[in-house]
Parts: sequence; C-alpha cells; structure tokens
Amino acid sequence: NAGVTQTPKFQVLKTGQSMTLQCAQDMNHEYMSWYRQDPGMGLRLIHYSVGAGITDQGEVPNGYNVSRSTTEDFPLRLLSAAPSQTSVYFCASSTRTGRAYGYTFGSGTRLTVV
Amino acid sequence: ELKVEQNPLFLSMQEGKNYTIYCNYSTTSDRLYWYRQDPGKSLESLFVLLSNGAVKQEGRLMASLDTKARLSTLHITAAVHDLSATYFCAVDIYNNNDMRFGAGTRLTVKP
Repeated sequence: NAGVTQTPKFQVLKTGQSMTLQCAQDMNHEYMSWYRQDPGMGLRLIHYSVGAGITDQGEVPNGYNVSRSTTEDFPLRLLSAAPSQTSVYFCASSTRTGRAYGYTFGSGTRLTVV
Repeated sequence: ELKVEQNPLFLSMQEGKNYTIYCNYSTTSDRLYWYRQDPGKSLESLFVLLSNGAVKQEGRLMASLDTKARLSTLHITAAVHDLSATYFCAVDIYNNNDMRFGAGTRLTVKP
C-alpha cells in the first residue's frame, strides 16, 4: 500500500499564480483533510472532507479551494498565491470510525511563494 | 474556540534522564493524539487516547489523559538520542471533524 501520496514535494510560485496540490490515498478512507504547518504554530486545518462530494472549511480556509469527486483524491487549489501561503502542506486521511486509531499523513509539500 | 497548549516548546535533555511534556486543551474532547515528527519528515502517530485515565506506553514513551483536567502528558523515561524529534499533541473536537494541534515540543537528547 502506498498510503497517502502527495505531489509535488517542492514548489516555488510567483505571487498571483495558481496551482493545485495533489493528494491521493489507496486505503479507502472516507475522511481526508489538508493542513498547513508554519514554524511555532503546529498544524492548522485548511479544509476537510468526510466523503466524496462533501467538503467543509477548517480553521484557515481563505485563499484555498477543494473538491472531492472520488474517495481516493482530495486536491487543494491555491487560487492566487500570496507570500503568506508559504508553508509546508500535509494531507491526512482516516476511516470515519478509525479516527480512534489516528490519521495517516502524507510526506508533505513545501511551497514557497515569492 | 478550542485551544491546545503544549509546554515546554523546546526541551534539551541528557541521555538517561526523565522528563514530561504537557498538553492542555480548553474544551471538551473525546480523543487526544500524540505524533512525532523528524526534521523534514511527515508526522508519525504515536498514541491515541480515548478516555479519561487512559495510559499507553511504547518503549521509553508513556502517554496519559485526564479529561477532567483537560490535560495529557507524554513522559520520557531514560531518554536516548533516537528520541530527538518534535512531538505534537492534537485534540479532536467533540462531535466534530476538526483536529487542533499544539505548537509542538522540539526535543533534543544530548549524549
């Protein structure tokens, strides 16, 4: 099993550009989420999904968009990149009942906006 | 709003010593997680604590949960260099889909 796969691993964007961070899981997990990690702030939830066709906002959703057309994929779109979005982004997944067993995280995408 | 506070944020220990990391949270929750992160790497799940009084141990690490005090601890026994990493606690908001993280404790174990 590949688990949770994120691409790309590194990305540099210019201010105002758009891009999509990809996240795919092969564990048939219903729950998927996106976090950003900034120094000294832990991880903050951007958006999450409890199943195909269902998404909701987390703690810091502004400037990001998501969709969930399949169980496996949960892409994160940056609509117009800003330097404040420079961060490390993690995708995570879990079964709905398996949240009692913790989440599986992807390897992360390091994004720099210049 | 749920707040999760960890302390200390930085911890430098000598090998063989014991220490405890604290995680306080501000509202009712039914799940508390501990994760480990090595530099430049992803997060690895260490413990999931589901009920008041829960205690879990793995090697030199032991985690406990007191839901009445809204406090979890991660105790390190006889630290070794391989335990050097950043440790995060995270709390699931009751009946919600939001998991909030503490700021992390960067642990360095020196020979």
